[in-house]
Amino acid sequence: GDSVTQMEGPVTLSEEAFLTINCTYTATGYPSLFWYVQYPGEGLQLLLKATKADDKGSNKGFEATYRKETTSFHLEKGSVQVSDSAVYFCALSDQIDMRFGAGTRLTVKP
Amino acid sequence: GAGVSQSPSNKVTEKGKDVELRCDPISGHTALYWYRQSLGQGLEFLIYFQGNSAPDKSGLPSDRFSAERTGGSVSTLTIQRTQQEDSAVYLCASSLKRTGGGETQYFGPGTRLLVL
Repeated sequence: GDSVTQMEGPVTLSEEAFLTINCTYTATGYPSLFWYVQYPGEGLQLLLKATKADDKGSNKGFEATYRKETTSFHLEKGSVQVSDSAVYFCALSDQIDMRFGAGTRLTVKP
Repeated sequence: GAGVSQSPSNKVTEKGKDVELRCDPISGHTALYWYRQSLGQGLEFLIYFQGNSAPDKSGLPSDRFSAERTGGSVSTLTIQRTQQEDSAVYLCASSLKRTGGGETQYFGPGTRLLVL
């Protein structure tokens, strides 16, 4: 079945460092892809999404491009802030369900 | 309200007791989902409701778990005879319709359940 695999954490970066969190997927059709973020003590929030190949989702300085040829949707940010410390979940939705990755915990130190 | 709400935010119970967790989805959303998030783990799908259709219970881990959705809106997740391994954060989400074609799920803040 469809599934998502994302980079294991935890990831610790200094403020203003470049961030990449890898996400690859397996799907039989053409899913939509998402990144959700979970800040400490809160529920998941949609960060960005892309619904078809070559689409780029972006929000709050984060970007991810739907790459069908590599079945990937890597999350990037050029300069992280302390406030970006959270758990990030990659997810896909097909015509049936949404499948989530295991989550990657990011800690940004000042 | 503007978002998905859940209550209680925290629940501590003794092993063997029953607990009820409540979810109020966003008004107008026909699809409602329950997930479980154990410490350091990803999201585990539990159950899904779409309108008045029979729920998809394929993710429920045992017959101690059940859920209902009254009037197509509020949902209650019930765990009977709780066990320590039931300790987790229980998340509820809703969407306009069943996920597919890029439909976004909106999550509540979760209920943190601790079974002593």
